[in-house]
Amino acid sequence: DTAVSQTPKYLVTQMGNDKSIKCEQNLGHDTMYWYKQDSKKFLKIMFSYNNKELIINETVPNRFSPKSPDKAHLNLHINSLELGDSAVYFCASSREWYEQYFGPGTRLTVT
Amino acid sequence: RKEVEQDPGPFNVPEGATVAFNCTYSNSASQSFFWYRQDCRKEPKLLMSVYSSGNEDGRFTAQLNRASQYISLLIRDSKLSDSATYLCVVPTDSWGKLQFGAGTQVVVTP
Repeated sequence: DTAVSQTPKYLVTQMGNDKSIKCEQNLGHDTMYWYKQDSKKFLKIMFSYNNKELIINETVPNRFSPKSPDKAHLNLHINSLELGDSAVYFCASSREWYEQYFGPGTRLTVT
Repeated sequence: RKEVEQDPGPFNVPEGATVAFNCTYSNSASQSFFWYRQDCRKEPKLLMSVYSSGNEDGRFTAQLNRASQYISLLIRDSKLSDSATYLCVVPTDSWGKLQFGAGTQVVVTP
């Protein structure tokens, strides 16, 4: 069974489009995260939700909007995609804040 | 100074040899540290935690030097499967917010 799953795995789209990435975890964790890993491999947190409540909201463009319909799901919607949005986006979840379980990543390419 | 700095490598290591690398951090108040491992084009996974002076798990040893603000990871008897990028992770003051280093790449060769 996949613990943290993301869809889609690959996403190629044109500038200006709107896209969503979905994340689901079956670990029963209360906290979920979105990370961005750019071409230089830096992994940076974007958002975190604890029991559907937003607790971390880093300085990201407001084109990025997370949504947590329940504690097992955390989706990421991106409006007006830009070339600089190209990256790998990882979803993660945790019970203990330091042991985060990551999904397989969504490789977003904006052309 | 960056919050978490790592030598990007790559560290090319013959199979069976020992390799060690460091990670420096800027927040002197940090109490706990972590090593995550990320295989090529895969997700990061927790490898070890470091709370006091160090931690040992099989062939992996992590040590903490608070005075100089660095942690190290040592891999003994390297296996081909140890080839990966090792991410140094330091918690920030915010709950749940981890600061990841850019990683140190280790390549174990036959």
